[in-house]
Amino acid sequence: KNEVEQSPQNLTAQEGEFITINCSYSVGISALHWLQQHPGGGIVSLFMLSSGKKKHGRLIATINIQEKHSSLHITASHPRDSAVYICAAGSGGSNYKLTFGKGTLLTVNP
Amino acid sequence: SAVISQKPSRDICQRGTSLTIQCQVDSQVTMMFWYRQQPGQSLTLIATANQGSEATYESGFVIDKFPISRPNLTFSTLTVSNMSPEDSSIYLCSVESRSNFEAFFGQGTRLTVV
Repeated sequence: KNEVEQSPQNLTAQEGEFITINCSYSVGISALHWLQQHPGGGIVSLFMLSSGKKKHGRLIATINIQEKHSSLHITASHPRDSAVYICAAGSGGSNYKLTFGKGTLLTVNP
Repeated sequence: SAVISQKPSRDICQRGTSLTIQCQVDSQVTMMFWYRQQPGQSLTLIATANQGSEATYESGFVIDKFPISRPNLTFSTLTVSNMSPEDSSIYLCSVESRSNFEAFFGQGTRLTVV
C-alpha cells in the first residue's frame, strides 16, 4: 500500500467546473507538496503547505493535519489546467525526503 | 527559487547502450535528487547527489547501473547504463530548499529503450 494515496486517478471535467483532487497520507510530514506534471514530463511545484490553506489564482490547497488529508481545488477550470497533479508528503527534517502519490490525470474539455 | 535546466528532454535508445542526463541549476545547492517515474507509477528516488562525495543510492538502485556525477554545486549528471526496455521511464532531477523544503524539478527526460 502506497503511503500517499490520491483520488481520483482520472478526472474529466467541462470547462468552468470546480475540481477537487484528494490526497491522504500515512506518514508523519513536515510539509505536503502539490505538483503539476505536463505531458512532456516536467514538474512544477504548485503549493507546499504544513497547515491551513493556500491560494494562488484559481488554485486552492488545504490540509488537515489531524486527519492526514489534503485537497487541491481548481475553480473555473480551463483546458490549460489539463495535466497530472501529484501530491507528495515531505518528511525527515535534515534528511528531508518526498513520498509521492501516483497522480491524478485531469482532462478539462472545452 | 531555483531554475533547473535538464537535457535531453527525450531520447530513444538501443538496448545495451548508455544515456547521460544532465541537470544545471541556476544557483548553488548542496544536494540534488534523481528520480525515476515508470509508466503509470509514482516518482521513485534513485539517489541523492552530494557535491564532493559519493552519491547515496536508495534500495534497489546501484551505482553500476546509475552512475552519478556531481562536479560542482550547480551541476549533476545521471547515466543509465546498459539499458533495457525496462529502463523506459521519465527521469527527473530535483533540488529542495533547505530553508523551507520547497521542491524544484527539471523538465524531465522521457527515455524509451527499444
